Formats: sequence, C-alpha cells, structure tokens
Amino acid sequence: QVQLQESGPGLVKPSETLSLTCTVSGGSISSYYWSWIRQPPGKGLEWIGDISYSGSTSYNPSLKSRVTISGDTSKNQFSLKLSFVTAADTAVYYCARTRGLGGPYYFDYWGQGTLVTVSS
Amino acid sequence: DIQMTQSPSSLSASVGDRVTITCRASQSISSYLNWYQQKPGKAPKLLIYDTSSLQSGVPSRFSGSGSGTDFTLTISSLQPEDFATYYCQQSYSTPKTFGQGTKVEIK
Repeated sequence: QVQLQESGPGLVKPSETLSLTCTVSGGSISSYYWSWIRQPPGKGLEWIGDISYSGSTSYNPSLKSRVTISGDTSKNQFSLKLSFVTAADTAVYYCARTRGLGGPYYFDYWGQGTLVTVSS
Repeated sequence: DIQMTQSPSSLSASVGDRVTITCRASQSISSYLNWYQQKPGKAPKLLIYDTSSLQSGVPSRFSGSGSGTDFTLTISSLQPEDFATYYCQQSYSTPKTFGQGTKVEIK
C-alpha cells in the first residue's frame, strides 16, 4: 500500500520560502508522477505542479515563477519550494501520487496534508 | 486555463436518495475528467477517473458519465458515509483544474 507523508514548517514568514517534503513508502518515486496540491482554509483545491519518474516537471502557470519541485530517489522523497510567500499562500498542502504515464492523469494516493500558515 | 463549474454548490439529501452532481468544463476536455470525495479534515479520495472508471475499492453505487464539456457523478443510493464534498478535476490540459466543490448534506 502506497503511503505519502508531508513534512515541513507549519509557519512561514511573508516574503520567505515555503519548503515541504513528501516521503513515499510502499512504492518508488522512480515510477509514476508525483504532485503537489493545495487547499486554502474553507476553499477548493489548486494543483501546484508535478514531477515525473524521470525528473521532468510541470507547474501551474499562476505559480510557476515561484515554484520548484524536485525529487530525491535515494530517500524516496520529493519536495516543494514556494518562494516569496504571502498570506494568500496559507493552505493545507497535499502531496499525491499521480497516474498519467501513457493514459489518464489522476491523483490516486494522497498524503494527509499539512497546514502551512504565512504570518509574521 | 480550463474552468470547471459544478452544480449545485450544495445539496441536501436523505439516505437512500439518488444524487446527481454536474460538472461543466469551459471547453471540451474529451473524457479527461476525474471525481474526488473529501470529508472534513481529510485528504480527497479518488472515486472515478477518465469520466467513468471506478477506482478500486470504491462502491459501485458511484458512477460517472459524460463527454466533451458536460459530466455527471451519480450516487445511486446515498449512504451515511457519503455525506461529504465532491470535486471534479480535468486532466486534459495544464494547469489541471478542479471544480469549486459540491457539498452533500443530510436532509
């Protein structure tokens, strides 16, 4: 059974960089795609971007200038960095396994999510 | 970006009711439409992918249909554990986008 667990600071100051890591167990990040998705409190879901099994990335254009997603196969982890954060970046951040190689693209396994608050 | 619009935004229903949620895309997305269920404080759960394929382990009372721009999620007989918020999501183009959600509440 694939399991994902987000980790990182729960509080980030405005203008600083949000950094989160997703640790994957029960499967290798060298297979599939892996995504970050966020949800502001009480609001809907927003796809941030993904990284493929080969390390190529795709980002939401609305965040592209501030986002970096990277992978570490030795630790079976992938990470999110979001720079120059503001209060609008306050959200629950989810990591998710993404099916999409040669077929439909969808998020089939999710982490439990981690709340990141941007505040001084 | 492709805009996804769900209707209704919320609904009240009773156990045993047949429930239908609609999702409309701002342009054709072929069959690249997925549905998720989210309960309070929990991560979303995949129900249906590629319009009508039921994810493993999901009860058969959930079904999906549609193509192009108009899609539906149907719950044939609502169960107590189905009270939740449902989201559609298109995977036709980047950025992948979600509908605003439909909250299913107890009547």
